[in-house]
Amino acid sequence: EDQVTQSPEALRLQEGESSSLNCSYTVSGLRGLFWYRQDPGKGPEFLFTLYSAGEEKEKERLKATLTKKESFLHITAPKPEDSATYLCAVGNTGFQKLVFGTGTRLLVSP
Amino acid sequence: GAGVSQSPSNKVTEKGKDVELRCDPISGHTALYWYRQSLGQGLEFLIYFQGNSAPDKSGLPSDRFSAERTGGSVSTLTIQRTQQEDSAVYLCASRGTGTGVGYTFGSGTRLTVV
Repeated sequence: EDQVTQSPEALRLQEGESSSLNCSYTVSGLRGLFWYRQDPGKGPEFLFTLYSAGEEKEKERLKATLTKKESFLHITAPKPEDSATYLCAVGNTGFQKLVFGTGTRLLVSP
Repeated sequence: GAGVSQSPSNKVTEKGKDVELRCDPISGHTALYWYRQSLGQGLEFLIYFQGNSAPDKSGLPSDRFSAERTGGSVSTLTIQRTQQEDSAVYLCASRGTGTGVGYTFGSGTRLTVV
């Protein structure tokens, strides 16, 4: 059974303090690893898709990387507006459904 | 529309009543998904529609839950005889073509069963 585990559950950073969020996964045939951002009261917002080990993608202060067992979301010099819950998910064959982790709640203080 | 639209945004219902939740996906998106998000839990897959194919209902938690998609567009999730454990945020997502395309989620319907 496909599984996704995210750590830490919660992370508090000072503005400008860089850090990383972890997503470890077990899946029978990875067809994509997805990162989403979710703000309170809203649906998840798509950030990145990664397909193969070694792949990296960047968007503003965020960079996602992928190995055969885990993915990292690196946040460089975060700002308060980066505060949100970050969700990781893996896609199975045909993308018939994504299996999500429980997320990391990030709080960036000014 | 520009995004995935869900209605109502909030629903409070009495235990035992039936509820209907609506999802209007992005125009042209053939894939539509329903997920449930409970407090402190990850997103739980409920059901998946793809074009005219039979839906994947493997995530529906009980036979009180059903969903339909009319004309390949709007979808309705129905929960019969609601229970308190059904309280959650119900999220709908649609996806366009292409293997790298992520789901686009709506803002969800927050269901509270009292």
